[in-house]
Amino acid sequence: EAGVTQSPTHLIKTRGQQATLRCSPISGHTSVYWYQQALGLGLQFLLWYDEGEERNRGNFPPRFSGRQFPNYSSELNVNALELEDSALYLCASSLSWGQNGYTFGSGTRLTVV
Amino acid sequence: KNQVEQSPQSLIILEGKNCTLQCNYTVSPFSNLRWYKQDTGRGPVSLTIMTFSENTKSNGRYTATLDADTKQSSLHITASQLSDSASYICGVNGTGGGNKLTFGTGTQLKVEL
Repeated sequence: EAGVTQSPTHLIKTRGQQATLRCSPISGHTSVYWYQQALGLGLQFLLWYDEGEERNRGNFPPRFSGRQFPNYSSELNVNALELEDSALYLCASSLSWGQNGYTFGSGTRLTVV
Repeated sequence: KNQVEQSPQSLIILEGKNCTLQCNYTVSPFSNLRWYKQDTGRGPVSLTIMTFSENTKSNGRYTATLDADTKQSSLHITASQLSDSASYICGVNGTGGGNKLTFGTGTQLKVEL
């Protein structure tokens, strides 16, 4: 069974540009979660999508946005990139409203210069 | 405010020795607590998930305990191996935020010969 796949693995952008990160969940999983892991900080919750709808949002500015497609894959967009956005962005998936844990992908390392 | 604190921040032990990592949380109401292992540059991998009614759960050489009254959890690693070198992260799921997790900053474990 394929795990959660994220692309690209690494992304380098210039301050002010936009970044798009992609995530494919495990087959059968309908929930997708996005987390930001900055250096020295714990994982910070960004967004949760389930069945195509945004279900919950963390304390991040509106320039962090995303969507979930009919095939349950997801996209995270970060507009007007700032240096502080440099981090590992992790996607996870689970069964709908699953309380039995979720599976993380390997992440996208975003570097803003 | 929901918070998760882990201790120690870092730990160095000799191969074959045991160690215990701590996790204290203030997330309320509580749904479950999860321990993850994260290798450098990779996504977190689930070790255990503990619900309110569970006091102890083992997964191979990993044993997690939970005291829901004092809001404390520990992860005990037995007979450590070099491959145990990683960051160990505690995440807590409250019942009010769907499947959103609040994470600690992790304990960086290094196992040496």
